Amino acid sequence: TQLLEQSPQFLSIQEGENLTVYCNSSSVFSSLQWYRQEPGEGPVLLVTVVTGGEVKKLKRLTFQFGDARKDSSLHITAAQPGDTGLYLCAGVVSRTYKYIFGTGTRLKVLA
Amino acid sequence: EAGVTQSPTHLIKTRGQQATLRCSPISGHTSVYWYQQALGLGLQFLLWYDEGEERNRGNFPPRFSGRQFPNYSSELNVNALELEDSALYLCASDPRGKETQYFGPGTRLLVL
Repeated sequence: TQLLEQSPQFLSIQEGENLTVYCNSSSVFSSLQWYRQEPGEGPVLLVTVVTGGEVKKLKRLTFQFGDARKDSSLHITAAQPGDTGLYLCAGVVSRTYKYIFGTGTRLKVLA
Repeated sequence: EAGVTQSPTHLIKTRGQQATLRCSPISGHTSVYWYQQALGLGLQFLLWYDEGEERNRGNFPPRFSGRQFPNYSSELNVNALELEDSALYLCASDPRGKETQYFGPGTRLLVL
């Protein structure tokens, strides 16, 4: 069974703090995506990473794909209340057509 | 460019009834995926359609079915509704070969 495990599952922090969310698997992924979902809405794509070791930045968000393409991290600098939401990683397992989602990290940033 | 659209936005049914949910992918996308997201939980893969054919199916009973039309829009049917079918049903599409899914806003199904 291919799994994408995210940690932490829940995170509540104060505005201005930094945080990192992890996405880990024993499977190799040909690409990996990060999404943010707000209550009652569909997930919104934040970034796609493709190359092992790749780092992408989106304003205060930094995404990294592991060298072996089995894991990824999302780092948020100086979190703001608008960052609150469910963060999901997802990807296509290499050499399959299987697109799987991570277990999710629910982030709450307090003003 | 219009995004993925879903209808209806909300649907209320009673146990034993049937529900039909609809999805229109982004123009040019041939694959449509359906997911179930129960309250507070992650996404559970339901079905994948591509070029009108079912390509893969998640671990759901046969009363969850669907189809994809020649214009690539899709329909999800849930028969003999049960209370635990209450969830947000999300549809996504992707441009073939890009391995990135784009989601619609979802249909919230409530079974009473």
